[in-house]
Amino acid sequence: ETGVTQSPTHLIKTRGQQVTLRCSSQSGHNTVSWYQQALGQGPQFIFQYYREEENGRGNFPPRFSGLQFPNYSSELNVNALELDDSALYLCASSLGALNTEAFFGQGTRLTVV
Amino acid sequence: QKEVEQDPGPLSVPEGAIVSLNCTYSNSAFQYFMWYRQYSRKGPELLMYTYSSGNKEDGRFTAQVDKSSKYISLFIRDSQPSDSATYLCAMSPDNYGQNFVFGPGTRLSVLP
Repeated sequence: ETGVTQSPTHLIKTRGQQVTLRCSSQSGHNTVSWYQQALGQGPQFIFQYYREEENGRGNFPPRFSGLQFPNYSSELNVNALELDDSALYLCASSLGALNTEAFFGQGTRLTVV
Repeated sequence: QKEVEQDPGPLSVPEGAIVSLNCTYSNSAFQYFMWYRQYSRKGPELLMYTYSSGNKEDGRFTAQVDKSSKYISLFIRDSQPSDSATYLCAMSPDNYGQNFVFGPGTRLSVLP
């Protein structure tokens, strides 16, 4: 196990609703990255938080937003859910922003109906 | 053309076989090349990474990068049923998150 935990593991929401996903980073890590993995696809970078500041964003609309807390845990918020938002949402934590040092959580499976 | 392409499989091999997994890419700026293993209902786990060209070996796993052909490979020797998973390649021009591009993954089944 990586020490990165995500909650909840599964979630079903209705189109138009809002959702908050949570990630607890591995002890000692100060960076959290969020990814969206659609079925049969590789993960796509949403954004990264480094020491509570956004440190890079992928090609996702503003209704995808996030936060990082002083203990370096993080939230991903998605407003006005669309059917295409159905996916596995992964967070990865690291000490610093290096990809090769990042560990992934098990993900939250979001289904939008 | 997608930036990173990978045969989705599924690929089925008998236990003990040598497995070859491959990715092609179009962005010549990529310098970091990673291979991840993802078990069902789990997050990806980094197996190994290579910077620039060349080979890297770690136990039963060997990663190869051919930048002239824009082609990377992961070889698994003496494959085991526990190697059954989806293998994702990923690459980046630097080592930072926002430039990180994953392939769609190849599903591998190793049959006892």
